[in-house]
Amino acid sequence: TQLLEQSPQFLSIQEGENLTVYCNSSSVFSSLQWYRQEPGEGPVLLVTVVTGGEVKKLKRLTFQFGDARKDSSLHITAAQPGDTGLYLCAGASTNAGKSTFGDGTTLTVKP
Amino acid sequence: GAVVSQHPSWVICKSGTSVKIECRSLDFQATTMFWYRQFPKQSLMLMATSNEGSKATYEQGVEKDKFLINHASLTLSTLTVTSAHPEDSSFYICSASRGALWNTPLHFGNGTRLTVT
Repeated sequence: TQLLEQSPQFLSIQEGENLTVYCNSSSVFSSLQWYRQEPGEGPVLLVTVVTGGEVKKLKRLTFQFGDARKDSSLHITAAQPGDTGLYLCAGASTNAGKSTFGDGTTLTVKP
Repeated sequence: GAVVSQHPSWVICKSGTSVKIECRSLDFQATTMFWYRQFPKQSLMLMATSNEGSKATYEQGVEKDKFLINHASLTLSTLTVTSAHPEDSSFYICSASRGALWNTPLHFGNGTRLTVT
């Protein structure tokens, strides 16, 4: 069974601060996705990383895939209240019938 | 593109009744659809994997006779909560994939808030 450990589980910060969310596993994934979910809605895809060592940037968000494709991180620079939400990482292996989800990180950015 | 519509967005029902939730992929054919249950501030808990024209694959601990899944076409899957009880109250979400999971992302519906009184 593949597991994805996501940390921290909860994070409350002030507007303007930086933060990093981690997603770690002992398993290798062919790809890893990051999603953001707002209350009462479904998750929305932020990014997919597929290559070991890959770094992708989406405005103030920086995503990194570990060299061994076992871990990933999401770094947010100068967080804003609009970044508040539940962040989920999900990994998939070749021929996998389902994705493995991390435990989620609930981020609250206070104005 | 890649829109998934889930209906209803919320439903209140009495204990003992059944509730059907629909999940439609509006602009693509979904190879596979997934059903999840989510508790407040927690991650998604996979309930079952649904492929068109075949029986759903349920996760361990999920009662297949209670949570009936029908995947009649490549664009529609339904989840029926039979004989609902208050402990079934939760947020249910579906997702759809248009290809292999390792190279195509999941597209999620907006969820259904079920309250059983």
